[in-house]
Amino acid sequence: AQKVTQAQTEISVVEKEDVTLDCVYETRDTTYYLFWYKQPPSGELVFLIRRNSFDEQNEISGRYSWNFQKSTSSFNFTITASQVVDSAVYFCALGGAAGNKLTFGGGTRVLVKP
Amino acid sequence: GAGVSQSPSNKVTEKGKDVELRCDPISGHTALYWYRQSLGQGLEFLIYFQGNSAPDKSGLPSDRFSAERTGGSVSTLTIQRTQQEDSAVYLCASSLARQGRSSPLHFGNGTRLTVT
Repeated sequence: AQKVTQAQTEISVVEKEDVTLDCVYETRDTTYYLFWYKQPPSGELVFLIRRNSFDEQNEISGRYSWNFQKSTSSFNFTITASQVVDSAVYFCALGGAAGNKLTFGGGTRVLVKP
Repeated sequence: GAGVSQSPSNKVTEKGKDVELRCDPISGHTALYWYRQSLGQGLEFLIYFQGNSAPDKSGLPSDRFSAERTGGSVSTLTIQRTQQEDSAVYLCASSLARQGRSSPLHFGNGTRLTVT
C-alpha cells in the first residue's frame, strides 16, 4: 500500500522567511510519481509539480524548489522569500506507474504573516 | 479550455435524504476521480474511473455511496440516506492518465455538502 506523510500540520512564518515542507512516502512500486498541490483559502487545488522516481534532480521554479531524495523516500518543498500569497495548504501526493489514483498526505497549512 | 466543472457548488440536505453530485471533466481526459475532503483534513480517495475499465471503488466508505460515469465523460456521485458524517467537500478531478505513468490531476472547485 502507498502512504504519504506530511508531519508538519501547520507552519507559521513572517514574510520573506524561507519555509520547507516535509514529505515522506512509502511505496513498493519501482516506478512512481510524486506531486505537490497548493490549496489556497479559495479552495481550489492547484497542481505545482510532478517528478518521476527515476529523476532525482532537484528542481527550481521561481521561489519554489523541490528536493527529491530516494534514499530517504522524501520529496521536500521549499518556498524561498515567502509572501502572504503563499498562505495555503500544501499537499504532497504519490502515484504509481499504473496511472491510477493518487495518495495524498494530510497537508501542511502555511501561514505567511506580513 | 474549460476546467473540471462540478455542480452544485453547495448542497444542504436533511439527514436521510439522497443527494447527487455532478462532475464534468476536462474534455479528452480519460480518467476521472472522486475525492472527499472533510473540514481541515486531507483528501480521501473515493472512486476512480479509467476509460472503459471497471472503476476502482476501493475508497467508497459504505454501500450508501455509488458513482457512475456515462459515455466516458460526465460522472455522478450518489449518496443515499445521507448521514451527518457525510458532510464534506466532494472534489472531482480528471487527468490524461495512461497505463505506465501518473498524470497530474486537475481538480474542480468541489461541492460542499452539509447534512443537517
